[in-house]
Amino acid sequence: DAKTTQPPSMDCAEGRAANLPCNHSTISGNEYVYWYRQIHSQGPQYIIHGLKNNETNEMASLIITEDRKSSTLILPHATLRDTAVYYCIVRVGSGGGADGLTFGKGTHLIIQP
Amino acid sequence: GAGVSQTPSNKVTEKGKYVELRCDPISGHTALYWYRQSLGQGPEFLIYFQGTGAADDSGLPNDRFFAVRPEGSVSTLKIQRTERGDSAVYLCASSLTGEGASFFGSGTRLTVV
Repeated sequence: DAKTTQPPSMDCAEGRAANLPCNHSTISGNEYVYWYRQIHSQGPQYIIHGLKNNETNEMASLIITEDRKSSTLILPHATLRDTAVYYCIVRVGSGGGADGLTFGKGTHLIIQP
Repeated sequence: GAGVSQTPSNKVTEKGKYVELRCDPISGHTALYWYRQSLGQGPEFLIYFQGTGAADDSGLPNDRFFAVRPEGSVSTLKIQRTERGDSAVYLCASSLTGEGASFFGSGTRLTVV
């Protein structure tokens, strides 16, 4: 079973920041938070991951709370092409193993024109 | 190619037949994963290879499913005596070492009639 909880769907206006929440209250100390997205009829696409510090790359920012029980993925300027299902996944990281990803149902983000 | 390649993109087979699905990972990636995705669900982990060996096959649903990666590069997922319930999109992913980002192919849509 997925160890994360996400809202099933969200809307966001084009050009605005999309903030996608994720709860992972049972996360272990050696588990990372990963985000992937899946655009219709495509394979999942890696977005970002982090352990406890906030992370930013060219796609998004990841904000992890200090207690690590929740996180938020931020798409700073959403476009129509960002419409997709977004998956938040916790996974053992460095040195701990390279186990498969456990996907939940994700959040269906719809960007409105 | 630059990404993970899966062939065929679509496969229709009759119940009871044998099928093989192929995955070409990104060159140099030692880790390879197979997932299965049913309609409306997130991908479900099947098996993970590190090099030539199956490091974790706990997600294979039964002994009709088998996967190989004989030279540590291309992998083949084999399904014997296919059933209608095997109909799904089969996704392959590769990762440089197993940790960090996984990169997914576009999948093979298997339909068992």
